[in-house]
Amino acid sequence: NAGVTQTPKFQVLKTGQSMTLQCAQDMNHNSMYWYRQDPGMGLRLIYYSASEGTTDKGEVPNGYNVSRLNKREFSLRLESAAPSQTSVYFCASSREGYNSPLHFGNGTRLTVT
Amino acid sequence: GENVEQHPSTLSVQEGDSAVIKCTYSDSASNYFPWYKQELGKRPQLIIDIRSNVGEKKDQRIAVTLNKTAKHFSLHITETQPEDSAVYFCAARPGFNKFYFGSGTKLNVKP
Repeated sequence: NAGVTQTPKFQVLKTGQSMTLQCAQDMNHNSMYWYRQDPGMGLRLIYYSASEGTTDKGEVPNGYNVSRLNKREFSLRLESAAPSQTSVYFCASSREGYNSPLHFGNGTRLTVT
Repeated sequence: GENVEQHPSTLSVQEGDSAVIKCTYSDSASNYFPWYKQELGKRPQLIIDIRSNVGEKKDQRIAVTLNKTAKHFSLHITETQPEDSAVYFCAARPGFNKFYFGSGTKLNVKP
């Protein structure tokens, strides 16, 4: 049981380049999330998916797109990376229900130069 | 949307002392309040959570209290140890899906 798996762990991009962050969970969770973490700002929600086939914007969606490929996988795409997107990105999942916590992946450290 | 404020941003205590971290939330629909611990370079991990129909919950040296009327909840760590040093995040969940996080508290436990 791997939990939530993210790839890659580290990535350096140049401004304007694109990339996709991959996330997969093996806990049969319906909900999946993408957060970014910046110093002093906590964890901010980029996008989430309540179930397969649905996605919704979070607090900071600009510059990102997502795909819920199936129940297990939820990817985050940066079409044209900007230095402001330098951050640590965490994927997370949770069961349905009011009292289900988030389970986080190990994160992707992205630097945009 | 929900707004979660967390204080203090940094907290330094002597080993064996208690530490208290406080959070407030704005959305009265929030019904679930988890706390996460994040060690340097690691992912956030759940340490304790509380539901809106409960006022207090304990797990060994860790306790969480919730005041729904005042819309605030707190994390209490007793008999702190150096391995408690980390960043702690509170979160609130209004409804089924979205979690909103506080900005984090960096706890330093001095041996």
